[in-house]
Amino acid sequence: QVQLVQSGAEVKKPGASVKVSCKASGYTFTNYGISWVRQAPGQGLEWMGWISAYNGNTNYAQKLQGRVTMTTDTSTSTAFMELRSLRSDDTAVYYCARDLQLVPFDYWGQGTLVTVSS
Amino acid sequence: EIVLTQSPATLSLSPGERATLSCRASQSVSSYLAWYQQKPGQAPRLLIYDASNRATGIPARFSGSGSGTDFTLTISSLEPEDFAVYYCQQRSNWPPSSFGQGTKLEIK
Repeated sequence: QVQLVQSGAEVKKPGASVKVSCKASGYTFTNYGISWVRQAPGQGLEWMGWISAYNGNTNYAQKLQGRVTMTTDTSTSTAFMELRSLRSDDTAVYYCARDLQLVPFDYWGQGTLVTVSS
Repeated sequence: EIVLTQSPATLSLSPGERATLSCRASQSVSSYLAWYQQKPGQAPRLLIYDASNRATGIPARFSGSGSGTDFTLTISSLEPEDFAVYYCQQRSNWPPSSFGQGTKLEIK
């Protein structure tokens, strides 16, 4: 069965960086992309960006350009999302989701809480 | 940037009733519109994609309609497990996408 398993919760200070992982199983990793979505406490969903697991192409949300980097390791079927220069308003649950143009986010990770606090 | 506006913000209904949720796009998204359900402490779950296609395993009481700028998610007869927050998502310029602000479906 398809699973996306994310790394554990993180607490970071303002200005630091965080790197969240998303390990995929149960499907051919390189046949799909991975999108990252975040959700601030009590708020809605915000799309952060996408990466092709096939060739590493990326597409980032404009507001995060320059602060976010998405990568994959095809040898371990794992996607990564790094966010730099963290601010308090980056506090959120971060989700990865399997993403194919023909079918949107049909499988999601369990979410990773990132707390930014001094 | 395409903005999605969902209405109402909160919908109060009883089990067995019919629920109608709306999503309006600031410009045409063709049929590239999806709906998700999210329960507290859980990741969202895909219900509908391409405006009207039910995702795998989604009960037939969930249906989607619309194209262009106006879309509707209908739950024909509410079950207790259907009370949750619902989000629409547009993907007309994939891979970028955007979500509506959500509609909370609560028990009356």
